[in-house]
Amino acid sequence: GESVGLHLPTLSVQEGDNSIINCAYSNSASDYFIWYKQESGKGPQFIIDIRSNMDKRQGQRVTVLLNKTVKHLSLQIAATQPGDSAVYFCAENLRGAQKLVFGQGTRLTINP
Amino acid sequence: DARVTQTPRHKVTEMGQEVTMRCQPILGHNTVFWYRQTMMQGLELLAYFRNRAPLDDSGMPKDRFSAEMPDATLATLKIQPSEPRDSAVYFCASGLGVPGEQYFGPGTRLTVT
Repeated sequence: GESVGLHLPTLSVQEGDNSIINCAYSNSASDYFIWYKQESGKGPQFIIDIRSNMDKRQGQRVTVLLNKTVKHLSLQIAATQPGDSAVYFCAENLRGAQKLVFGQGTRLTINP
Repeated sequence: DARVTQTPRHKVTEMGQEVTMRCQPILGHNTVFWYRQTMMQGLELLAYFRNRAPLDDSGMPKDRFSAEMPDATLATLKIQPSEPRDSAVYFCASGLGVPGEQYFGPGTRLTVT
């Protein structure tokens, strides 16, 4: 069935370090993946996306890697800052479905 | 700075009461989504509309939930009658139909006692 999950529910890193958040997906028909950031009391906010014909995409301090062989998605955040503390969700778009399936989320905590 | 707005931000009601949540999508967006977020189930899609027409409401309990778009600037999600298990944060999101491109509102936190 359709499912998107996360390997680590919580992650704690030191300020300035890099962090990696992982996500597994099960539907090989998914053609588009997104990472969202959700701060306390707010709605999810788009961070970065990647299409299934790509392996890597970079943004400002963030990089998303897609490994279709093992159905794995990761979000790398460079030089983490206190403002990066949030819950991060991966989401997959099923080809032709025009709707997202979200993972359970990983809480990222930045230690000073 | 265009944003999705939702009202009310918080709602506390008693079991059996009707609850109506409202969403104003970003002007010009033609796709509107309703999600429910709980600790147990995470973020679940309830329904979505394109050009005001419902495309998928398979995630919504049909017996008590209803979603409508009276016009392009207003989407509503109604629960009647409400139950304690409906307690959650309800998010509205809008977009231009690009797969996955959705902009979320701040949510309505519903508590049913």
